[in-house]
Amino acid sequence: EVQLVESGGGLVQPGGSLRLSCAASGFTFSSYAMSWVRQAPGKGLEWVSTISVSGDYTYYADSVKGRFTISRDNSKNTLYLQMNSLRAEDTAVYYCANSGPLYYYDSSNYHRDYWGQGTLVTVSS
Amino acid sequence: QTVVTQEPSFSVSPGGTVTLTCGLSSGSVSTSYYPSWYQQTPGQAPRMLIYTTNTRSSGVPDRFSGSILGNKAALTITGAQADDESDYYCVLYMGSGIVVFGGGTKLTVL
Repeated sequence: EVQLVESGGGLVQPGGSLRLSCAASGFTFSSYAMSWVRQAPGKGLEWVSTISVSGDYTYYADSVKGRFTISRDNSKNTLYLQMNSLRAEDTAVYYCANSGPLYYYDSSNYHRDYWGQGTLVTVSS
Repeated sequence: QTVVTQEPSFSVSPGGTVTLTCGLSSGSVSTSYYPSWYQQTPGQAPRMLIYTTNTRSSGVPDRFSGSILGNKAALTITGAQADDESDYYCVLYMGSGIVVFGGGTKLTVL
């Protein structure tokens, strides 16, 4: 059974940093691109970032570019999101996902769709 | 910056048919945007319904279908059921590895 379990969320002050983790199991993590998607309270989904299989290629939404860094450790089956210079508008539930439409360059896996349950990040003083 | 547009809300009667759309603030949606659709119920993670315009995800009932209608991507639900009451999001590929979600449509079945 595929499982994606996020951790690392919490309360942080504006300007602070936080690192999210996503532990993957039940599939060959090193074979698939991975993504982060967030959802502010009462709002819609927002794609944040995607990383290629090897980690050589990363993609970011304009809203987080230069502040957030996505990475992965294939030996630990873990995806990360380092979030710096946090703002109030970064407050959201952050989902880890292996979902085909979020990574255009791997057409053979467009059918895949796995999500974690999310971790809440609150940026407030 | 191009915005992906969706109807904020829609209502359908049980057994009825509804078409939700996904457009662009500037330009037309085509298959080259690889439109996909997700369903989300409150407190749950999203679930993919449709990918690459019209391919149903595994286990998705055939009452859900995707298409291009005019200059927009469309999700049609034929024979709506009570448990179809959810939020629906489209996502488009914008090039250079970037994808953008629409604002979502809240569907009410009543």
